[in-house]
Amino acid sequence: QVQLVESGGGVVQPGRSLRLSCAASGFTFSSCGMYWVRQAPGKGLEWVAVIWYDGSNKYYADSVKGRFTISRDNSKNMLYLQMNSLRAEDTAVYYCARRLQKQQLTEYYYYYAMDVWGRGTTVTVSS
Amino acid sequence: QSALTQPASVSGSPGQSITISCTGTSSDVGGYNYVSWYQQCPGKAPKLMIFDVSNRPSGVSNRFSGSKSGNTASLTISGLQAEDEADYYCSSYTSRRTYVFGTGTKVTVL
Repeated sequence: QVQLVESGGGVVQPGRSLRLSCAASGFTFSSCGMYWVRQAPGKGLEWVAVIWYDGSNKYYADSVKGRFTISRDNSKNMLYLQMNSLRAEDTAVYYCARRLQKQQLTEYYYYYAMDVWGRGTTVTVSS
Repeated sequence: QSALTQPASVSGSPGQSITISCTGTSSDVGGYNYVSWYQQCPGKAPKLMIFDVSNRPSGVSNRFSGSKSGNTASLTISGLQAEDEADYYCSSYTSRRTYVFGTGTKVTVL
């Protein structure tokens, strides 16, 4: 079945780095745009980054721009989030999500929504 | 990018209809028909309920409907059921090619 599984979370000191991974299965990963979304404890959802299906375009929230890098390896069906210069305010559950798309014959139509989500991985930034 | 504005809480009795608003600007909600809505139950990942303002993914109950007027989008839940109790978030694509979520609304079934 369609599944996303995040990993790589943990406790890290401020200023350090961490790389999150998201393993995709059950669908054609190389055709799908992907997102990272986070949720601080007791808070709402915050969009973090998006990457095109082929990695050609990447966009970031202002709060992480210059510190976080989204990437993917379509040969391994993997999505990544490299997080550098971590701050206490980066403490959150990090979800990866798939961009909604529909296929008609040989064409893909992409929508601005997240239709499949992982269960999340927790990142705690603390000294 | 500031979060879209949603009421903190909305409540209703079983069978009633409730509406959750989501207010943004002309650079996000008002500028594009790319508003989506998500349901999040406690301890769970969000679930897509509405995309492109008013479209339901397959498998989502037709009791959920979406609309938009100007800079404000709305999610209506009709025939409220106990299982609808959850947090709901709107999201919009923006003119900066980014996304923004709403502040979230806790729905309580009385």
